[in-house]
Amino acid sequence: QKEVEQDPGPLSVPEGAIVSLNCTYSNSAFQYFMWYRQYSRKGPELLMYTYSSGNKEDGRFTAQVDKSSKYISLFIRDSQPSDSATYLCAILMIYNQGGKLIFGQGTELSVKP
Amino acid sequence: DVKVTQSSRYLVKRTGEKVFLECVQDMDHENMFWYRQDPGLGLRLIYFSYDVKMKEKGDIPEGYSVSREKKERFSLILESASTNQTSMYLCASSTGRAVVSTDTQYFGPGTRLTVL
Repeated sequence: QKEVEQDPGPLSVPEGAIVSLNCTYSNSAFQYFMWYRQYSRKGPELLMYTYSSGNKEDGRFTAQVDKSSKYISLFIRDSQPSDSATYLCAILMIYNQGGKLIFGQGTELSVKP
Repeated sequence: DVKVTQSSRYLVKRTGEKVFLECVQDMDHENMFWYRQDPGLGLRLIYFSYDVKMKEKGDIPEGYSVSREKKERFSLILESASTNQTSMYLCASSTGRAVVSTDTQYFGPGTRLTVL
């Protein structure tokens, strides 16, 4: 079983729709959860991070963590064509000198005007 | 602004060639990482380094080696390139000394390597 599972999509929605992107993870010891966004032909960039159960909002984006179910979600409200990208969930594993990320497979999102 | 640069955006090599991929970061980050990204498999960690001359194997180190002679530079080496190493290679860096919750990794633009 992969440590982090993510539906690869692709996902296509009309402009203005609410988008839900999801990941599950296997190790209950994981504590830090991140979402990266990757535009075509670019490297991933950090979108949001959270380390506790519950919701965290940043503008149109909401990251949700349910540690009891080992489930993390990213919601995008009022989606825009500029949100079209691949979204990667990631779990941060801590070691003495820093952190190592474990990524999901990424979900390709297309928002149609 | 953190900048992570990679030496090439596109590279085409032949089977058996030795390939060097270079990565440079300008933020004095301790940690540097090499990933490969393949459709349906996401990003997989090849090697990482938390200090000069230090290296740790990631999840898929076979067929690769790395070199970190200077803090700002992390090189990925394919000793004898094979067709199954055709992929997008991404380099990243992070502070590694800050509060854990902000241990953000900054990525370079990637090198698309094709091995013929």
